[in-house]
This record gives sequence, C-alpha cells and structure tokens, in this order.
Amino acid sequence: QVTLRESGPALVKPTQTLTLTCTFSGFSLSTSGMCVSWIRQPPGKALEWLARIDWDDDKYYSTSLKTRLTISKDTSKNQVVLTMTNMDPVDTATYYCARCYDSSGYYYGYWGQGTLVTVSS
Amino acid sequence: EIVLTQSPGTLSLSPGERATLSCRASQSVSSSYLAWYQQKPGQAPRLLIYGASSRATGIPDRFSGSGSGTDFTLTISRLEPEDFAVYYCQQYGSSRFGQGTRLEIK
Repeated sequence: QVTLRESGPALVKPTQTLTLTCTFSGFSLSTSGMCVSWIRQPPGKALEWLARIDWDDDKYYSTSLKTRLTISKDTSKNQVVLTMTNMDPVDTATYYCARCYDSSGYYYGYWGQGTLVTVSS
Repeated sequence: EIVLTQSPGTLSLSPGERATLSCRASQSVSSSYLAWYQQKPGQAPRLLIYGASSRATGIPDRFSGSGSGTDFTLTISRLEPEDFAVYYCQQYGSSRFGQGTRLEIK
C-alpha cells in the first residue's frame, strides 16, 4: 500500500526558508521509473507543479520558481525534501507530495493529504 | 511553455446527465501526455485518466477521455452525486495543470 505524508511548519514568516518533508511507504524511490513531485494549491485556486525528483536523482523545477527551490531525496529514510527560499504571502498554499502512477509518465496516482503553509508576519 | 485552458469554468448539471469538459493546449501535446484529475473539497486530487484515454485503476467506466494534439475532452456519461467536484487536466510533458472546471449540481 502506497502512502505519502507531508510534514513541515504551518506558519512561516516572509523572507524565511520553508522546508517540507515527504515521508512515504509502499515503494522505493530507487526503483527504476519512480518519481516524486511537489505540487501546491493556493486556497481556492488551481494546482501548480513545483518540482520533481526521479529514481536516478534527476531533478526538475518549475521555470518560474527554480531559483528558489531545491528538491532532494534520502532513499534510506524514504523521504523527499523540498526547500523554498524567500517565502512570500503569495506562497500561502496547501503543499502536496505525489508519486508517479507508474513508470510510463509523470502523472500522479498517489498523493499525500497535503499540508497548509501560511506565510505571514 | 504550454498553457492549458479548461472550459467551461463552471458546469451546472443534474445527476444522470452527461458532462463534457474541455482542455485545450496552446501547442500540440506530444504522445497524448494528458491526464485528468478529480478533486473534492478538502481532499487531494485523484487521478482519473492518463495518456488522454486510459482510466486509472478503480475509476468507473462512466469516465472517459479522448482527444489528441491540442484538444482533449473528459466525458462523464451519467453523472452520479459523487461526481460533483473540480476537474483538472495536466500536460505531463511540462507538468502544467489547467485552471480547473467546477462541476456543480444544477
């Protein structure tokens, strides 16, 4: 059974760095074709893909946010970590981690429940 | 970058009716790299369709996807009460999502 769970601070101040951890079970991110992404959703708005890390440690970032994002994995701990620098109130959103459905493409069949991050002083 | 435009923004229908949701890409989507998700309030999205027309495991056959190139459609043949939600398309070559279509009860 595949599960993912996001953890991190619920409140961050403007200009601070956000660190979110996705802890998963039921699969290994060292398996060929696996991937995990971070996707966010501001309140009442659409989904926005942020970053992806593949089984072979290839990393991909949203063009508009790439200067602020870093994604990494710890295969031994079954975790994927996202850091986002210079947080702003517009970054207030629910942040999801999600696993690729299978090895055929970057669509997401498994999602965490999401964690709401509010950026406010 | 590819931009996905979903229409209509809101669709008001009754249970038992047929729903047709559109997703149009600003440029051709290679190899039908198009997925559809359903999201209910307070929940994470659920994958419905990938590869433009393949249903994910456990998705009822009243959900179907079609299209190619720049125009894609999600069809729900007969709406059940649990189908009223927000639907997103995703072009997974670029990982971009559309802005969503809200399907509401009329």
